[in-house]
Amino acid sequence: DTGVSQNPRHKITKRGQNVTFRCDPISEHNRLYWYRQTLGQGPEFLTYFQNEAQLEKSRLLSDRFSAERPKGSFSTLEIQRTEQGDSAMYLCASSSTGKDRNIQYFGAGTRLSVL
Amino acid sequence: QKEVEQNSGPLSVPEGAIASLNCTYSDRGSQSFFWYRQYSGKSPELIMFIYSNGDKEDGRFTAQLNKASQYVSLLIRDSQPSDSATYLCAVNDFNKFYFGSGTKLNVKP
Repeated sequence: DTGVSQNPRHKITKRGQNVTFRCDPISEHNRLYWYRQTLGQGPEFLTYFQNEAQLEKSRLLSDRFSAERPKGSFSTLEIQRTEQGDSAMYLCASSSTGKDRNIQYFGAGTRLSVL
Repeated sequence: QKEVEQNSGPLSVPEGAIASLNCTYSDRGSQSFFWYRQYSGKSPELIMFIYSNGDKEDGRFTAQLNKASQYVSLLIRDSQPSDSATYLCAVNDFNKFYFGSGTKLNVKP
């Protein structure tokens, strides 16, 4: 396993369209996080899964955003009716549980541009 | 919303010098603290984490934590041009991570 994989790397869409991003975590990791990062800012927490359960969801995540992690493996983040303010880098990270649960490994991200 | 504050920089240091990066956080109950390095256009990578008051050293890097002052710092000794990047401070609170906006470090040859 070579790390956290995110697809696509870049997505350009028109305002009002729906987009979906995929994250494949490190295979033995059962925790998965989604973040959003805009230019000049640090990553903002969006949501977190342990196995297939979505345990936390930020208030930043409007009802246009939804995330799933079926079977506790890969995860998808969907944004409906995209807005220009959704343009950002969307980062996924994974970690194990136990003593290393706080060590997150990030994927390369998906850069979204909403025109 | 938890606050994690960092000076945005840029912090410029000559090659071989010590770079000192600072971070303050708002939640006195925070337990775990992290430093990430992020090169331009890349994703964050973990450098160090610290849980207890005091210093923690790993190679050229030393993390310092003072919970009473709600302050965490990162020292980089013998700074190299390859250390030029944005350094992100993060705080963990019940499995949620809060990041500062980062300090940009420039190491001049």
